[in-house]
Amino acid sequence: NAGVTQTPKFRVLKTGQSMTLLCAQDMNHEYMYWYRQDPGMGLRLIHYSVGEGTTAKGEVPDGYNVSRLKKQNFLLGLESAAPSQTSVYFCASRPGQGFNEQYFGPGTRLTVT
Amino acid sequence: AQKVTQAQTEISVVEKEDVTLDCVYETRDTTYYLFWYKQPPSGELVFLIRRNSFDEQNEISGRYSWNFQKSTSSFNFTITASQVVDSAVYFCALSEAIIETDKLIFGTGTRLQVFP
Repeated sequence: NAGVTQTPKFRVLKTGQSMTLLCAQDMNHEYMYWYRQDPGMGLRLIHYSVGEGTTAKGEVPDGYNVSRLKKQNFLLGLESAAPSQTSVYFCASRPGQGFNEQYFGPGTRLTVT
Repeated sequence: AQKVTQAQTEISVVEKEDVTLDCVYETRDTTYYLFWYKQPPSGELVFLIRRNSFDEQNEISGRYSWNFQKSTSSFNFTITASQVVDSAVYFCALSEAIIETDKLIFGTGTRLQVFP
């Protein structure tokens, strides 16, 4: 049982390049989330999904797209990376309705030059 | 609007000292949940505790204890007899009472450094 995994762990992009971050969970959780963590700002919600085939915007969605084609996977895409997207990205999941804690992945450190 | 404030940016203590991390929250919901997460230097986020708005009992888990006071909208975290392994960034978070999403709203974190 790996929990929540994220691929890749590190990445450096040039401005304008695109990439996709993969989040996978093997706990059969319904809800999945993408956050970004910036110094002095805590974690901010980018997008989330309440089930396979659904996505919704969070607090800071601009410049990102997501997809949840399979229940276990939640993809975060950057179509045209900008230096402002340099951050650490965390994926999280939780079982379903009810106030359960979220389980976090190890994070992806992304640098956009 | 929901908000979580962790006014202490960084705290430094010497091993075996007690330390309290403050968390103040704002919400209009009558039903909500509060959380603490630990982020050690390795970077992952580790869940520590969840508390619902109807349960104001303090909780103790080993050297960790939490003091929830609705009257002051605070959910403070105390580490007794701190150890070097407690060095980490600690986040307080609030969950909105929106059943479908239960989004977490995080504070900005408090960096705790415990020196030997």
